[in-house]
Amino acid sequence: GAVVSQHPSWVICKSGTSVKIECRSLDFQATTMFWYRQFPKQSLMLMATSNEGSKATYEQGVEKDKFLINHASLTLSTLTVTSAHPEDSSFYICSARGQGRNTEAFFGQGTRLTVV
Amino acid sequence: GNSVTQMEGPVTLSEEAFLTINCTYTATGYPSLFWYVQYPGEGLQLLLKATKADDKGSNKGFEATYRKETTSFHLEKGSVQVSDSAVYFCALPGGGYNKLIFGAGTRLAVHP
Repeated sequence: GAVVSQHPSWVICKSGTSVKIECRSLDFQATTMFWYRQFPKQSLMLMATSNEGSKATYEQGVEKDKFLINHASLTLSTLTVTSAHPEDSSFYICSARGQGRNTEAFFGQGTRLTVV
Repeated sequence: GNSVTQMEGPVTLSEEAFLTINCTYTATGYPSLFWYVQYPGEGLQLLLKATKADDKGSNKGFEATYRKETTSFHLEKGSVQVSDSAVYFCALPGGGYNKLIFGAGTRLAVHP
C-alpha cells in the first residue's frame, strides 16, 4: 500500500523555539494533506487541511500563525510549530489522500513533540 | 453532514475471545466506510474498508459489513490476540477537501 513518511518521529525542543515536521507521500501524489493533533488516550483532532499550492484551511480554534503549514508539492507538506510552549507538547500526525471522494487516507507514523 | 458514532471503550478481553466494536453512521448517499487501527506510539493504519452497501471488508481476521439498513459498520474478530491491543477508529468521508470523519476511537486491551 501507499506510504506516508513523517519525520522526525520524536523531538524535544526548548520553549520559544520553532519545530518543523515533515510529511512525505512516497509513492503517490497527495492532492490533500491533513494535520492532526492527538492528546493522550483521545481521538484525532483535525488541525488543518492543505491542498498543494494553496493556503491551508484551519479548523476553528487552531492558530494559523502558530501552526504554519506549507504544501509546496504533491509529495511534501510541512507543519512548523512556532514559538513552541509546553502546552504544544503533543502527538502530531499527518495524513495524505489522493484524488477521489472515496479514497482512503494514509497516515504518517506520527511525531511526539515535547517542549521543555 | 456525515457523522460517525463509535462505542466507547475501553474494551478488555481475554485472548481468543470474540470482539465486536460497534460503529454507526449518518451520511448523504453511500460513501465508503473505513476502520483504522492505531498501535501504541504510532500513526493510524488502514485495517479494512468497504466501498458499497453489503460489502464486507476483511483483513487480519477482522471483518466489517457495510449495512445500509442499520447504517452500521461493526468491526468483528472471532478470536483476538494480545497483539490486537490498540485503538480502533471508524471513519467515513465528510466535509470539504476530501476530509475523513473519525469516530472517537475504541481502545481494545487483550490480556493473556
